[in-house]
Amino acid sequence: NAGVMQNPRHLVRRRGQEARLRCSPMKGHSHVYWYRQLPEEGLKFMVYLQKENIIDESGMPKERFSAEFPKEGPSILRIQQVVRGDSAAYFCASSPRTGDSGYTFGSGTRLTVV
Amino acid sequence: AQSVTQLGSHVSVSEGALVLLRCNYSSSVPPYLFWYVQYPNQGLQLLLKYTTGATLVKGINGFEAEFKKSETSFHLTKPSAHMSDAAEYFCAVEGSGGYQKVTFGTGTKLQVIP
Repeated sequence: NAGVMQNPRHLVRRRGQEARLRCSPMKGHSHVYWYRQLPEEGLKFMVYLQKENIIDESGMPKERFSAEFPKEGPSILRIQQVVRGDSAAYFCASSPRTGDSGYTFGSGTRLTVV
Repeated sequence: AQSVTQLGSHVSVSEGALVLLRCNYSSSVPPYLFWYVQYPNQGLQLLLKYTTGATLVKGINGFEAEFKKSETSFHLTKPSAHMSDAAEYFCAVEGSGGYQKVTFGTGTKLQVIP
């Protein structure tokens, strides 16, 4: 029973390129959440998705960032025209429902912008 | 609105000593409370959670936490630290009653001294 799968584990992009981060939720989980982690800052919420729907994107930067969770396939976090400040660890989590279940996290994608 | 404050970004204990990691929260509705642990270069793993009922909750690896509504606290304890407990610990809060964003604290790094 695979957990939350994120790939790639490490991603290096030059400034101005696009970064695509993938997340396959745990089997049976239909709720996906993306968080960004910067050193000494904890986890910052970015977006919450269910299949084909964005439920809460209040943590997403207004420009360059987008997320989707299509009917088939993994959830994708897309960052266009990356800048050095986008360098961080991006974590995906999933849950079977909202509320009291807690999250199952993936191992993260560490994005480095050079 | 909700928030989490973790007192002490770094805590050091001797092997075999009591572990106490502090967490205070604020929430406008009855909260769900969680503790997660993160080992280097890994995602977060759920240690324990409080939803309703018994205020003292036990988790994995011998950890427990007590929900104290009057103090708005959810401190994490373990009677005897083990070297393998060295990691970063995150407290999180989620409001009950429908979808509420999970808010994480900034984390406490636990060092265990042999």
